[in-house]
Formats: sequence, structure tokens, C-alpha cells
Amino acid sequence: AQSVTQPDIHITVSEGASLELRCNYSYGATPYLFWYVQSPGQGLQLLLKYFSGDTLVQGIKGFEAEFKRSQSSFNLRKPSVHWSDAAEYFCAVVGGGSYIPTFGRGTSLIVHP
Amino acid sequence: GAVVSQHPSWVICKSGTSVKIECRSLDFQATTMFWYRQFPKQSLMLMATSNEGSKATYEQGVEKDKFLINHASLTLSTLTVTSAHPEDSSFYICSAREVGGTGSSAVETQYFGPGTRLLVL
Repeated sequence: AQSVTQPDIHITVSEGASLELRCNYSYGATPYLFWYVQSPGQGLQLLLKYFSGDTLVQGIKGFEAEFKRSQSSFNLRKPSVHWSDAAEYFCAVVGGGSYIPTFGRGTSLIVHP
Repeated sequence: GAVVSQHPSWVICKSGTSVKIECRSLDFQATTMFWYRQFPKQSLMLMATSNEGSKATYEQGVEKDKFLINHASLTLSTLTVTSAHPEDSSFYICSAREVGGTGSSAVETQYFGPGTRLLVL
């Protein structure tokens, strides 16, 4: 069965600084990978996804993520964080013949002015 | 991207009453929808998989008689919390599965609704 680890519960960055949120997965083959963002009291919004091909994927709001098979990672990055990026970020994986995603526990992003 | 709506966005009800939450895929057809529950500061907990035209598949520990799911059409799934109690208070989120392409090129994505906050007094 697949699993997802988001090792950081909270990340604090200054506005304008770069950001990297970590995500590691456990799955035998190449999974489908997703990053979602959740603002307080809201549902989840898809930022980006990886299925195959180019390992660097671009998403909305200036986010990108890189799939690294050797490290079983799919870290989310943004070169310059805006205060509006403060939210909860979830990494998810789908694989093993199941279409039901497994979510990480989430990373809370705090942005200082 | 595809849009999923939920209604209502929040609801307050008395203990013992039933509450129905609707989940709609607005611009695509979804043979499969999912219902999640989320507690404060926690990740999503899958409650059940809703399949159009058939019975829902419930996760272990989720009472199917308490959380009734109906997926009557390709764009609508409903979750009814029957005889609600204060411990049922939570944030309920639905998602709809969109499949694009065919065969080996098929890719799928889940799109989430905005969530429904339920408070049972």
C-alpha cells in the first residue's frame, strides 16, 4: 500500500523568501502525485500533479514540484512567497491500481511580513 | 480546472435531526465521488467512495446507516448524516474523480468541493 510523509508540520518563511515543502512517498512503481492547498475553512485546491514525463511540473500560483524517483520525493517549491500563500498544503499519492488517494498529514505554511 | 460545489457551506442543527449535504460536479461527469471528514489541524479522513448507480463503499469504522450516501446521477452525490449528535460536528469535504484520456494515456484527478461545516448542538 502507498503512503505519504510530510515531515514538516509547520514551516515559517518571510514574505519574498523561497519555499520548499517536503513530500516523500512509499510505493513500488511510479505513482500519480499531487499537491493541494487548503485555506482556512475551505476545500482543497489542486496546485499541480505528476503522472509521467517531465519530472519538473509547473502548477498554479507560481508553484512547481520536482519528482525524484531515487529519493521517492515530490517536493513543492516557490521562488518567492506571498502572504496570501499562507495555508495548509497536502501532498497526495495514487497508485497500486487504486484511484483513491492517500494524503499526507499536511504542512502548515506561515508567512511573516 | 474542473469545479465541484457543495451545499450548504455550513449548517447548524439540533441533536437527533438529519442533515443532507450535496456535492455536485459542475462541468464534468463523475462516476465516482468521495466523502471525507476533516478534524481541526488534521488531514482528510476518507469516509466512503460513492459510485454512480450503485452502493457506496464505506471505509472501516464508518457507520453506513448513519452516513447515508446516494449517487443518483453523474453529477450529484449526497451525504445524509442521520440522527446527528454533537460528535458528528466536523468539516465534511467531497471530491469528484475526473478521468481524462483513454487507455494507457488515461489520467485522473480528484477535484474537491469547498467543504461543509456541520455543527450539531
